[in-house]
Amino acid sequence: GIQVEQSPPDLILQEGANSTLRCNFSDSVNNLQWFHQNPWGQLINLFYIPSGTKQNGRLSATTVATERYSLLYISSSQTTDSGVYFCAVVERGGGADGLTFGKGTHLIIQP
Amino acid sequence: GAGVSQSPRYKVAKRGQDVALRCDPISGHVSLFWYQQALGQGPEFLTYFQNEAQLDKSGLPSDRFFAERPEGSVSTLKIQRTQQEDSAVYLCASSPTSSRETQYFGPGTRLLVL
Repeated sequence: GIQVEQSPPDLILQEGANSTLRCNFSDSVNNLQWFHQNPWGQLINLFYIPSGTKQNGRLSATTVATERYSLLYISSSQTTDSGVYFCAVVERGGGADGLTFGKGTHLIIQP
Repeated sequence: GAGVSQSPRYKVAKRGQDVALRCDPISGHVSLFWYQQALGQGPEFLTYFQNEAQLDKSGLPSDRFFAERPEGSVSTLKIQRTQQEDSAVYLCASSPTSSRETQYFGPGTRLLVL
């Protein structure tokens, strides 16, 4: 099945800093989503982005499908951005129908 | 509108008991997914329904796990003879038509098997 690798595994930043989270995947995909899992365990949709670039406020994401990676940018970090960020994909043309998740990036924003 | 809801939110079971976890998807969503998230890990896919048809159950870890969606709306995940390794958060997600679209997740059911 498809492999999803996220980096870095852990990231500690001061409030106001910018960050870039990376997701590499091993095969073609027809679904790629970024999630933020808050301290209560809720998975919050950030982006549906199997290709291209999207922006939503301080967050933006880019997926380069031909090179099999996606980036999530967080600008002017706030303490409420803390939590685990997951990248998840559905493999094109076979494999399971569900999302395959990476291990996540644990982000801590310090005041 | 209302999102995906799950019940119960917390469940404690004694080893060997059967449990049933409920998922109410977003109204009108055709596709429904179940995932299992162990502590400190990412969610792992269990099974997928399109309407009432279970099209993919490749992620179910054993024959003690059974899922159904008889009327194409509400789904139930049943775990028979629970074991300690079944302790996890069970997440349900739905999407409008297929797995190629955005999946929306519920808050999860946290299962603890003693």
